Amino acid sequence: GAVVSQHPSRVICKSGTSVKIECRSLDFQATTMFWYRQFPKQSLMLMATSNEGSKATYEQGVEKDKFLINHASLTLSTLTVTSAHPEDSSFYICSARRRGGDYNEQFFGPGTRLTVL
Amino acid sequence: QKEVEQNSGPLSVPEGAIASLNCTYSDRGSQSFFWYRQYSGKSPELIMFIYSNGDKEDGRFTAQLNKASQYVSLLIRDSQPSDSATYLCAVNSGGSYIPTFGRGTSLIVHP
Repeated sequence: GAVVSQHPSRVICKSGTSVKIECRSLDFQATTMFWYRQFPKQSLMLMATSNEGSKATYEQGVEKDKFLINHASLTLSTLTVTSAHPEDSSFYICSARRRGGDYNEQFFGPGTRLTVL
Repeated sequence: QKEVEQNSGPLSVPEGAIASLNCTYSDRGSQSFFWYRQYSGKSPELIMFIYSNGDKEDGRFTAQLNKASQYVSLLIRDSQPSDSATYLCAVNSGGSYIPTFGRGTSLIVHP
């Protein structure tokens, strides 16, 4: 159990377009989902935390108008990168905390590789 | 600013040896400590976590925690080439339960 999926796994887009990434918990309800970004040879940097039915909490330095997060249900969160630019190219990973589970435990999705030309 | 420090490596060990990976953290109030393995191009997968001072063993893996020294380590016994990956240390402080990740240590196990 505790499987998290992401779609798409890889996306290439032109500069200026918007890209939506979906994160789904397949076999559990996720009260909280996290969005991370990882540049090559760097660590995971938390972008935002989203709770079902409420606005996301963004980390310092992350533009909320550029990275739109919607957590519409207990199994789905989406990240939309608006007006993407080459510097947004990165590996985006979501994770989910299980409802009723250990607060310290989070389950990672497989990641989405975004390349902006 | 909460910091988690790891030597980026690479750490190279021969097959069958013990690999020792180290991590230090700055927040003395940290309560939970995690080791993740990340293969190139993949997302992290949890290896083990530790909450209390001392050692915790799980198969070939042993996590060691010393809160006084703000130090956590991961030992991998009988290292295999399939253990070659980047190992991320993550630390939770109390309250938010949101971990801070280190940059990871690259481990290479050569035959």
